Amino acid sequence: DIQMTQSPSSLSASVGDRVTITCRASQSITDYLHWYQVKPGKAPKLLIYAASTLQSGVPSRFSGRGSGIDFTLTIISLQPEDFATYFCQQSYTTPYTFGQGTKLEI
Amino acid sequence: QVTLKESGPALVKPTQTLTLTCTFSGFSLSSTGMRVSWIRQPPGKALEWLARIDWDDDKFYTTSLKTRLTISKDTSKNQVVLTMTNMDPVDTATYYCARVSVSWYFYFDYWGQGTLVTVSS
Repeated sequence: DIQMTQSPSSLSASVGDRVTITCRASQSITDYLHWYQVKPGKAPKLLIYAASTLQSGVPSRFSGRGSGIDFTLTIISLQPEDFATYFCQQSYTTPYTFGQGTKLEI
Repeated sequence: QVTLKESGPALVKPTQTLTLTCTFSGFSLSSTGMRVSWIRQPPGKALEWLARIDWDDDKFYTTSLKTRLTISKDTSKNQVVLTMTNMDPVDTATYYCARVSVSWYFYFDYWGQGTLVTVSS
């Protein structure tokens, strides 16, 4: 199975800050990498797919980069609603696997 | 408009079998390229992909739970069912169903709100 290593596991930031979360795959997954936002009691939300494509309706302050093994999710100008937990996921092959998550806290 | 909703028992006893139903609308699982997955999240832990079923009835399972999981579909009811045998307290989690994107990137573009399942005697 492909292992996804996400860092940091938690991150403290303030409104207006810029933050970057990284995700590393245990083997090349080309661009089969996606990012999700999870909030308690809500359906997880797709933010970025195919490493860098912004899902429709997602604010442009979210961006993704990377290919092969290393990927990043960057949020510029943090807004109050961005404080949540973020997960990366590979779909290069089944079983699909997620990173351990990054909890973004105020 | 695509929607998905999970239903099932909130509490199951150890060794019992869990049956969860995902009822969806806005797409048909009999259409070419359509797929639905189950994913779970134990409290305070990471998301874990469990299984996928495709329009052509192909099925895929996570390695560690393969022997305990069965995924099936009822296209006439727009439902996908997941059964998990021999439940254990470590299986306590919020269980989500999600539509897999029609593209070849297989990301989860629509999710249900999830259903919390607690395993306890």
